[in-house]
Amino acid sequence: DAGITQSPRHKVTETGTPVTLRCHQTENHRYMYWYRQDPGHGLRLIHYSYGVKDTDKGEVSDGYSVSRSKTEDFLLTLESATSSQTSVYFCAISEFGAMSNQPQHFGDGTRLSIL
Amino acid sequence: RKEVEQDPGPFNVPEGATVAFNCTYSNSASQSFFWYRQDCRKEPKLLMSVYSSGNEDGRFTAQLNRASQYISLLIRDSKLSDSATYLCVVNIGGSYIPTFGRGTSLIVHP
Repeated sequence: DAGITQSPRHKVTETGTPVTLRCHQTENHRYMYWYRQDPGHGLRLIHYSYGVKDTDKGEVSDGYSVSRSKTEDFLLTLESATSSQTSVYFCAISEFGAMSNQPQHFGDGTRLSIL
Repeated sequence: RKEVEQDPGPFNVPEGATVAFNCTYSNSASQSFFWYRQDCRKEPKLLMSVYSSGNEDGRFTAQLNRASQYISLLIRDSKLSDSATYLCVVNIGGSYIPTFGRGTSLIVHP
């Protein structure tokens, strides 16, 4: 399995508190992604990174920020958590080959509950 | 029209059955195609890539039809352990943002 570690695996917190999720990889892959998955919506991209300090927004980025100061770490921050951000969050990594895209590999996920 | 569409199912089949899923995509510039498997409350895991000539991995066969813009996954001799959601993933050439289908649910019963 690809070396991807998400932390924490589970978190319960209150509305209005800041929350940071961490994704750590040991594969030295250039691309890292944060997704959320909710019933009826499938996987939705929050933010992604294409290198150290290079990040961009996905389709559901409102209320989230990210940072990537090292190749191996990609942090997702909820500045002021809301109940609508209760979800399962997946980190993914990939590389981009010369001729085709390589598949993504996912971390185990973080189950976040905002009360 | 959604970029990647899958029949959500569920497909309910007996053990030993053969079952096939299709996934259609709208962007003709799509170049990379994958099938993932996702078990309940778990992360998606790569099942297989889909190559232009079609490819097989044990009981699983994947095919690509560029003319009609769909990919397929065939599972032969279904096992109880095949019960999962199968996600279709499409990458447009030059893009590193894949597009995921919402998945097809498969339930294999005794």
